[in-house]
Amino acid sequence: AQSVTQLDSQVPVFEEAPVELRCNYSSSVSVYLFWYVQYPNQGLQLLLKYLSGSTLVKGINGFEAEFNKSQTSFHLRKPSVHISDTAEYFCAVRTTYTDKLIFGTGTRLQVFP
Amino acid sequence: DTGVSQDPRHKITKRGQNVTFRCDPISEHNRLYWYRQTLGQGPEFLTYFQNEAQLEKSRLLSDRFSAERPKGSFSTLEIQRTEQGDSAMYLCASSLNDREGEKLFFGSGTQLSVL
Repeated sequence: AQSVTQLDSQVPVFEEAPVELRCNYSSSVSVYLFWYVQYPNQGLQLLLKYLSGSTLVKGINGFEAEFNKSQTSFHLRKPSVHISDTAEYFCAVRTTYTDKLIFGTGTRLQVFP
Repeated sequence: DTGVSQDPRHKITKRGQNVTFRCDPISEHNRLYWYRQTLGQGPEFLTYFQNEAQLEKSRLLSDRFSAERPKGSFSTLEIQRTEQGDSAMYLCASSLNDREGEKLFFGSGTQLSVL
């Protein structure tokens, strides 16, 4: 079975500072990896995804993530955050054999002025 | 593209009552998913459809839960004999099944409170 671990439930950061949201996964087979964001009172939106190829993937709003197979990680980063980045961020995994996404418990990013 | 819409946005019910939620996916999307989310947790997979066929149902899902997608368009999720533990946000998502790059589009959810 697959699982996703997001170690940080909350990450407070000041505006314009860099941020990293951590995600580790467990799977015995190949996976696809995703980051979704949930802004207050909105549905989840896809930020970025890793399917294959380059391990560094770029998404919307200046976010990027790096797939590290040896460490089974897919950490999300942004070099300079904005107040509008305040949201809940979910890491998700799907194997190449199934069609359902397994989500982590989420990390709440709180950006302060 | 009007997005995925869910109705109602909020539902308050008494324990033991039946409730039904509706999801209207993006019109050209052939896949439709139901997830459940409780406070402090990520979305938990419940079931999904490809067109009108229900392809997978979570083993965690009680037989009090049933979902349909009769014409391959909108879907309903019914919970019979609700329990307080059913209180959660119920999310619907749709996608165009292009396999690898499948991107889910989520609705804003239906918040269920069972008293």
